[in-house]
Amino acid sequence: AQSVTQLDSQVPVFEEAPVELRCNYSSSVSVYLFWYVQYPNQGLQLLLKYLSGSTLVKGINGFEAEFNKSQTSFHLRKPSVHISDTAEYFCAVTADTGNQFYFGTGTSLTVIP
Amino acid sequence: DAGVIQSPRHEVTEMGQEVTLRCKPISGHNSLFWYRQTMMRGLELLIYFNNNVPIDDSGMPEDRFSAKMPNASFSTLKIQPSEPRDSAVYFCASSDASGGFYNEQFFGPGTRLTVL
Repeated sequence: AQSVTQLDSQVPVFEEAPVELRCNYSSSVSVYLFWYVQYPNQGLQLLLKYLSGSTLVKGINGFEAEFNKSQTSFHLRKPSVHISDTAEYFCAVTADTGNQFYFGTGTSLTVIP
Repeated sequence: DAGVIQSPRHEVTEMGQEVTLRCKPISGHNSLFWYRQTMMRGLELLIYFNNNVPIDDSGMPEDRFSAKMPNASFSTLKIQPSEPRDSAVYFCASSDASGGFYNEQFFGPGTRLTVL
């Protein structure tokens, strides 16, 4: 089975500052990795995903993530955050041959004016 | 497209009552997923369908939970009888990944269930 660990439950950051949200995964097989965002009282929306190829993945709203197989990580980054980025961010994993999908516990990003 | 539609948006019921949650996936999508979100357990995949057929229901917590997908445009999640610990937000999602999770899942707005 696979699992993901989001090390930070809450991340406060000032507007226009950079941010990194951490995600580590565990799996004995090849994986696909995802970041989803959940705005208050809404469903989840895909930010980006890694399936194969380039380890640096660019997503919507200026976010990017880097797949690091040796460190089993898939950290999410943005060079300059906006107030509108305040939301809950979820890392997720599935095996490339799997039939299950696992979300992390989420990281609450709060952008401070 | 209107996106994934869920109804009701909020449901308050008493312990022991039957609860039915409804979902209309995005037209053309052939995979449908039901998730439950709670503070304690986070987001959990309950069951998913591919081409209207249940593929994996290992996440369904108990026999009190059942899900159906009678056609490509409609699915239900039923809890009978409901218990207070079932209180959660239930999300439906759909994608065009034929049996896999590698494509984007489009989530509905969720149904907030409160069981008193």
